Amino acid sequence: GQNIDQPTEMTATEGAIVQINCTYQTSGFNGLFWYQQHAGEAPTFLSYNVLDGLEEKGRFSSFLSRSKGYSYLLLKELQMKDSASYLCAVLGGDYKLSFGAGTTVTVRA
Amino acid sequence: IAGITQAPTSQILAAGRRMTLRCTQDMRHNAMYWYRQDLGLGLRLIHYSNTAGTTGKGEVPDGYSVSRANTDDFPLTLASAVPSQTSVYFCASSAQRDHTDTQYFGPGTRLTVL
Repeated sequence: GQNIDQPTEMTATEGAIVQINCTYQTSGFNGLFWYQQHAGEAPTFLSYNVLDGLEEKGRFSSFLSRSKGYSYLLLKELQMKDSASYLCAVLGGDYKLSFGAGTTVTVRA
Repeated sequence: IAGITQAPTSQILAAGRRMTLRCTQDMRHNAMYWYRQDLGLGLRLIHYSNTAGTTGKGEVPDGYSVSRANTDDFPLTLASAVPSQTSVYFCASSAQRDHTDTQYFGPGTRLTVL
């Protein structure tokens, strides 16, 4: 089976930086996704990593270390609209996507 | 408008009743998926389809069935609903058959089984 761990909740101040960690133990690996989900809405795609290293996309960056089974999502210059749940998902060896329980980020003024 | 639609938006259902959740996409994506989302458990894959005419089981398939008669539609059926199937159900699609690209999610169906 798949085991994907991420913190349940994080709180940060507007304008600050927050790093959401995700560790995984999966049967095979074909990539790691991060999704954002606002309350009551559908998840939306943020990033995809399949090779080790950092992928930067505007205020959001995602890092992957396959040897450590570890990823993080970095949110810079936090805005109130960034308050949401952030879902780490791993594409396993069977090419099925397994999701972590999600990290709820609250941005305070 | 391109995207994925789901119906109904929400439904309250008596236990033992049959229910079909509808999902339609207009992006001509090959793969489609059904997930359920429960508090503290995250999204769990119920069934998937790599292409029209094929389906496969996900992590939690028991009590659910799907069909993929064409590219656009992927209905999910609960043959005899039970209270443990109370959840939010999301349909998703992706362009590639091997699931290696982004999944696009529908707005969800909130189902309550009493």
